[in-house]
Amino acid sequence: EPEVTQTPSHQVTQMGQEVILRCVPISNHLYFYWYRQILGQKVEFLVSFYNNEISEKSEIFDDQFSVERPDGSNFTLKIRSTKLEDSAMYFCASSEYINQPQHFGDGTRLSIL
Amino acid sequence: KNEVEQSPQNLTAQEGEFITINCSYSVGISALHWLQQHPGGGIVSLFMLSSGKKKHGRLIATINIQEKHSSLHITASHPRDSAVYICAVFNNNDMRFGAGTRLTVKP
Repeated sequence: EPEVTQTPSHQVTQMGQEVILRCVPISNHLYFYWYRQILGQKVEFLVSFYNNEISEKSEIFDDQFSVERPDGSNFTLKIRSTKLEDSAMYFCASSEYINQPQHFGDGTRLSIL
Repeated sequence: KNEVEQSPQNLTAQEGEFITINCSYSVGISALHWLQQHPGGGIVSLFMLSSGKKKHGRLIATINIQEKHSSLHITASHPRDSAVYICAVFNNNDMRFGAGTRLTVKP
């Protein structure tokens, strides 16, 4: 069965550095999402992306964050000038159409030192 | 007040028991997801529903749109069902998550 894949599985970065988290959604899916889960807390929506543009973003997704689909397969989340509180598990998901079941990647654990 | 409330927060059951996890939401939705998060952190979508009832194996999900309430049932529970079960509501392109219910099924 097709899967959403995320790399790396674990990223350790110094505070203030930029990180790029990568996702390869399922190939025929059109909607892409990023979520984060701070340790011990609930999953939070960051952003949704369709037709090469952001369709919705949460209050968490400020100017520090950006998303891109640089080619036909990758979907990236960039976090600039990382802060300690950015440490979390970041999940990518994709769905074929809006209001269809979302398929989640295994997540990238981001640790900011 | 959280937009998505789940109960209970924690649930311990004996193998074979019938399990019910509840979700109430306060916002308008187009669909509701039930997700399973394994101890390693991975998330699996169990159901997406916007009305009525869905069944998959030992899992049953129901939703009452008028009452803004959904339930997830597990029949004949098994230790491998131990996980965190998360209710998430979907509106347009935005998904809001409950805090999850941690289920432990003991043999």
